[in-house]
Amino acid sequence: YDLTQPPSVSVSPGQTARITCSGDALPKHYVHWYQQKAGQAPVLVMKKDTERPSGISERFSGSSSGTTATLDISGVQAEDEADYYCQSADSRSTYPWVFGGGTKLTVL
Amino acid sequence: EVQLVESGGGLVQPGRSLRLSCAASGFAFDDYAMHWVRQAPGKGLEWVSGISLNSGSIGYADSVKGRFTISRDNAKNSLYLHMNSLRPEDTAFYYCVKGLTSSPYNTDVLDVWGQGTTVTVSS
Repeated sequence: YDLTQPPSVSVSPGQTARITCSGDALPKHYVHWYQQKAGQAPVLVMKKDTERPSGISERFSGSSSGTTATLDISGVQAEDEADYYCQSADSRSTYPWVFGGGTKLTVL
Repeated sequence: EVQLVESGGGLVQPGRSLRLSCAASGFAFDDYAMHWVRQAPGKGLEWVSGISLNSGSIGYADSVKGRFTISRDNAKNSLYLHMNSLRPEDTAFYYCVKGLTSSPYNTDVLDVWGQGTTVTVSS
């Protein structure tokens, strides 16, 4: 079972970045998103499709429809440049976990 | 503040063993599932193993099943990963991660990540 993300997304400062994650099981399972800046550990930025963890900027929002989940970052800033990974469950069993391949967000 | 500090990584020869440790603080350790997630150089994230709050449920990725063993000591607020029969493809940065629920199933959420420890398997 795979989760598919675009390898890269580029936006100018102030614009909205949209990162997608596609998978056949997404209608049945939540998607979670992690941000990983260069040389740092990942950070949870969105859980259960649309819930923003405490301390995460309101510029981050999530949605899910059918087989595609989306992470939107409004008013993109240079500090948002990072790799973003989606993660969800596999309907076939309680293990293993599934990650998307990651999307490199570049702020132009 | 939740803190997870990994240790025990290093350079090891193929076929040898290594034990990773993770010291947790800032939260009720025995209320949450814990996980190990790794990242090979230049690659994406791979979940390795997870353990429930009372060690009653444990899961492994197929790539490490039978070679790695996860355990926890709630009295010491510590998580461990015993890695046997190491292979070059196990070379990665290993992260200790706190779950959001009590179970390590793939419906959990990887809530807080440690800074990681490097494991290099090479002769």
